[in-house]
Amino acid sequence: DIQMTQSPSSLSASVGDRITITCQASQDISNYLNWYQHKPGKAPKLLIYDASNLETGVPSRFSGSGSGTDFTFTINSLQPEDTATYYCQQYDNLLLTFGGGTKVEIK
Amino acid sequence: QVQLVQSGAEVKKPGASVKVSCKASGYTFTGQYIHWVRQAPGQGLQWMGRINPNTGGTNYAQNFQGRVTLTRDTSISTAYLDLISLRSDDTAVYFCARGATSYINYWGQGTLVTVSS
Repeated sequence: DIQMTQSPSSLSASVGDRITITCQASQDISNYLNWYQHKPGKAPKLLIYDASNLETGVPSRFSGSGSGTDFTFTINSLQPEDTATYYCQQYDNLLLTFGGGTKVEIK
Repeated sequence: QVQLVQSGAEVKKPGASVKVSCKASGYTFTGQYIHWVRQAPGQGLQWMGRINPNTGGTNYAQNFQGRVTLTRDTSISTAYLDLISLRSDDTAVYFCARGATSYINYWGQGTLVTVSS
């Protein structure tokens, strides 16, 4: 199975900051990489699919990039409502795997 | 609007089995996959498997092979998760979710399954 290494596991930043989360796959997954936001007590929400495509209705301050094994998720101008845990998720050989998650907090 | 309504919380003893249901509405049930994902307390998301509601075809994560069975009843637009031989570390919130083969774009509200003697 493909392993996903997500970092950092947590971060704290100020409103308006730009933050970046990385995800590394143990082998080439092309662009089969998605990003989700998960707030406590709520259902996760798809933000980015196929590495760089913004899901409908998601604010443009969220973006993703990368291909192969290395991927990046960015929030430009962090907002208070962005407090959540963010997960990458890969797809390969019919199976899905999530990264370990990054907890994002506001200073 | 799209809805995935899951069955209520369950408390089970170790060794027992549990069946969680997921009733879909607001879209064509056979048109998208149903995935199952769980989150144990303080842990991250763990994909368990998916079912194609149109064909009944399934794929399971290696960690759950042999213990989980996914089924569906298209007549009532409902998917089911069966998990057997429950252990304390199966205590988790179980989500059903709708999506494509490679991603998930809509999630149910989650069902808490507690395994305790």
